[in-house]
Amino acid sequence: DQQVKQNSPSLSVQEGRISILNCDYTNSMFDYFLWYKKYPAEGPTFLISISSIKDKNEDGRFTVFLNKSAKHLSLHIVPSQPGDSAVYFCAASAGTSGTYKYIFGTGTRLKVLA
Amino acid sequence: EAGVTQFPSHSVIEKGQTVTLRCDPISGHDNLYWYRRVMGKEIKFLLHFVKESKQDESGMPNNRFLAERTGGTYSTLKVQPAELEDSGVYFCASSQVIQGRRFFGPGTRLTVL
Repeated sequence: DQQVKQNSPSLSVQEGRISILNCDYTNSMFDYFLWYKKYPAEGPTFLISISSIKDKNEDGRFTVFLNKSAKHLSLHIVPSQPGDSAVYFCAASAGTSGTYKYIFGTGTRLKVLA
Repeated sequence: EAGVTQFPSHSVIEKGQTVTLRCDPISGHDNLYWYRRVMGKEIKFLLHFVKESKQDESGMPNNRFLAERTGGTYSTLKVQPAELEDSGVYFCASSQVIQGRRFFGPGTRLTVL
C-alpha cells in the first residue's frame, strides 16, 4: 500500500504561469517532507523540504505548502520556466522511526511550454 | 567535490545471469542507500548502510539480491540470478548523517531479457 501518492502522472503549464504539483500521504508519523526533481538520465536532485512544524517553506520560485490535517502537500513554481520541465518526486520520512527512511511517490512529469 | 557515481550506466543481461552494480558515495558520507525505480512506479527503498554495516535492509526484494559495502566506502549490489521483474533503474544515494539530505547518483538502468 502506497504511503505517498502523487495522483497526477503529468502536468503541462505555459511558461510564466504557476505550476502546482500535489502529493498526499497516509502515515501520520511522517514529519519531514521533500521534493526532488529528476531530469532524464540523471538522478533525483533535492529541490525543497518542509518540516511538519511548518506549513510553508519558500525558496526563490519554489514554495512548498503542508496541510497536516488533510495529509497533503503541494509544490508551487512561480513563474514556471522551460528548464523546470522534469519529473518531480514527493518524499516523506518519519524521524521517530529512527531510520529517517525516505518514502517516495510515483512522480509527476511537468512540461513547461514555451 | 565529486558527487555520487554509479557504474555501469546501463546493463542488459539475459534472465538467469548475474549482474553487479557499483556505487561510489560522496567522500566522507557514512550513509549509503540503494533504491530502485521500476518504470512508472515510485522510487523504492532497498537498503541502507552506515559505514560497512547494514542498518536497514527491509526493502530488499528477496535473497537473489546481495549488497555489500566492504571497508565502508563503495558499495556493490549483486543480482543473482536475474529475473525479468528485476528490470528498472537502480539508484544509489549517500548522506553525511542519517537525518541529512540524500544525494543521488545518476542510476544504473538494468534490463533483463
